Amino acid sequence: QLQLQESGPGLVKPSETLSLTCTVSGGSISSGTFYWGWIRQPPGKGLQWIGGMYYTGSAYYNPSLWSPVTISVDTSKNQFSLNLSSVTAADTAIYYCARQREVATQFGNYYYMDVWGKGTTVTVSS
Amino acid sequence: SYELTQPPSMSVSPGQAASITCSGDKLGDKYVCWYQQKPGQSPVLVIYQDSKRPSGIPERFSGSNSGNTATLTISGTQAMDEADYYCQAWDSSIVVFGGGTKVTVL
Repeated sequence: QLQLQESGPGLVKPSETLSLTCTVSGGSISSGTFYWGWIRQPPGKGLQWIGGMYYTGSAYYNPSLWSPVTISVDTSKNQFSLNLSSVTAADTAIYYCARQREVATQFGNYYYMDVWGKGTTVTVSS
Repeated sequence: SYELTQPPSMSVSPGQAASITCSGDKLGDKYVCWYQQKPGQSPVLVIYQDSKRPSGIPERFSGSNSGNTATLTISGTQAMDEADYYCQAWDSSIVVFGGGTKVTVL
């Protein structure tokens, strides 16, 4: 059974870079038509998609994020990572990694998250 | 940017049906999925491609999508269905979530 586990620091200072890693177990990150994505949830608020990447490097990002975002994939470690630079208090959230399934339709591709990690809380504060 | 609108909250009596709506411009032309999130837990996919149920999701969860509105219906709502529910679509290369609906069973 596929499992995802987020890891990284729980506290980041303002203006610094938030770095998280998601370790995938029970399956290969380079198999199938899956992207590997990040989603966050500020305290008491709804879900916000950050972006997703295919193992070859093809990626989609949410342009509405105020902090520069980079997602990367390490197939040798079966991991993918998130870097969010120049963070502010508004980046405080629970960060989830998820498998983003790609579905081909006659109208184009469509994506949804079918497996989620448990989430990790990141606080931005000095 | 594309927006999905959900009612913030609703309540339902045990055993009754709960219908949660998600509205967006020409939403019926897109595929919609739904997630359930209980307090302190990560979201769980309960409906994908408008109306399909993942393995392990009870039959009381069903979905539809037409026009500008997608609907998640919980038939015979149980206490364990109390949770936040989020709709999601894909538009212009972006995953878009609705704001979420808190369903209270009382």
